[in-house]
Amino acid sequence: KAGVTQTPRYLIKTRGQQVTLSCSPISGHRSVSWYQQTPGQGLQFLFEYFSETQRNKGNFPGRFSGRQFSNSRSEMNVSTLELGDSALYLCASTVLGGYGTEAFFGQGTRLTVV
Amino acid sequence: GESVGLHLPTLSVQEGDNSIINCAYSNSASDYFIWYKQESGKGPQFIIDIRSNMDKRQGQRVTVLLNKTVKHLSLQIAATQPGDSAVYFCAENGGSQGNLIFGKGTKLSVKP
Repeated sequence: KAGVTQTPRYLIKTRGQQVTLSCSPISGHRSVSWYQQTPGQGLQFLFEYFSETQRNKGNFPGRFSGRQFSNSRSEMNVSTLELGDSALYLCASTVLGGYGTEAFFGQGTRLTVV
Repeated sequence: GESVGLHLPTLSVQEGDNSIINCAYSNSASDYFIWYKQESGKGPQFIIDIRSNMDKRQGQRVTVLLNKTVKHLSLQIAATQPGDSAVYFCAENGGSQGNLIFGKGTKLSVKP
């Protein structure tokens, strides 16, 4: 079974631009969560999608948005990029396991804003 | 490789020794906890989980201990190997949006 696939792996953008990142979850998983990882803040929750609907949202500005398609693939978009948006963006495919909701991560997209 | 934390606590152990990584969680209402391992250039990898109605759970070479009284979680790795070198995160399901909350991470360095 293929794991979580994120594209692209690396991205360099200029301040003010916008960017779209893609995530394909594990086959059969319907829930996708996005996280931002930075050295200073660690892993922070952005949002979660389930069956094409945003189910939960973290404490990020409206410049950060996402969506999910009928095949469970998800995209996140960041508009008007700022230098502080440079981070590793991780997508997690989640499923209810024996003990709780298990999250399986992709390798991430490293975004650098210059 | 990618840096996941410039000021992480670091644990350095000799190959073959046992490692203990500690984590203090934040929400007393959290009832599910997970340990993740993140190697350089990769996303976090699920290691082991535990529910709050348990004190201990064992996997292959790993044991997780939960102390709800002091909101403390630990990961024990037996016979640590060079391949265990990574950053280890604990996570709890106590986010206000039902999301996972991650600890800052501990960097484990294994000396051959």
